[in-house]
Amino acid sequence: ELKVEQNPLFLSMQEGKNYTIYCNYSTTSDRLYWYRQDPGKSLESLFVLLSNGAVKQEGRLMASLDTKARLSTLHITAAVHDLSATYFCAVDSNSGYALNFGKGTSLLVTP
Amino acid sequence: DSGVTQTPKHLITATGQRVTLRCSPRSGDLSVYWYQQSLDQGLQFLIQYYNGEERAKGNILERFSAQQLPDLHSELNLSSLELGDSALYFCASSGGTDYYEQYFGPGTRLTVT
Repeated sequence: ELKVEQNPLFLSMQEGKNYTIYCNYSTTSDRLYWYRQDPGKSLESLFVLLSNGAVKQEGRLMASLDTKARLSTLHITAAVHDLSATYFCAVDSNSGYALNFGKGTSLLVTP
Repeated sequence: DSGVTQTPKHLITATGQRVTLRCSPRSGDLSVYWYQQSLDQGLQFLIQYYNGEERAKGNILERFSAQQLPDLHSELNLSSLELGDSALYFCASSGGTDYYEQYFGPGTRLTVT
């Protein structure tokens, strides 16, 4: 069974600070996804990482993938309040594209 | 806006009842996925259809069933509802050049009382 673990599950950080969310997964997978979810809302795709060493950046968020370590990171630079949300990582299995999600990291950015 | 629509947005029903959730995928997408999000279980994959045929099955209860219609819309049928079935149900679709990337609909919030 493919398992996806995120940590931390809860993160409170001050505006302007940097932090990293970690995502470990248990078996080989071709693709790693990061999604954002605001309370009561749908999932918004942030990044899709397709290969070892892949790095993608959008604004204050940067995601990377190390397939050998089965680890992805989501780095937050100079956090702002608008980044407050829950962030999920997910992987799909090599036999299909159904997503296996981590439990999510609930991020709160405070002044 | 992902281009995926779901109806209804909210549904309140009693235990033992049956409901149908509907999903309209993005134009041209052949794959439809259903996911359940609850506080207890997190986000779980239920089932996938591709061009009308079941492609993959996840943690879907026997009381639940789904189908993808010839026009590619999809329905998720939930029967003999229990309190624990209360959750947010998402539909996602994929297709096109980035065939693996899934676009999620707004979800249907089901409350079983």
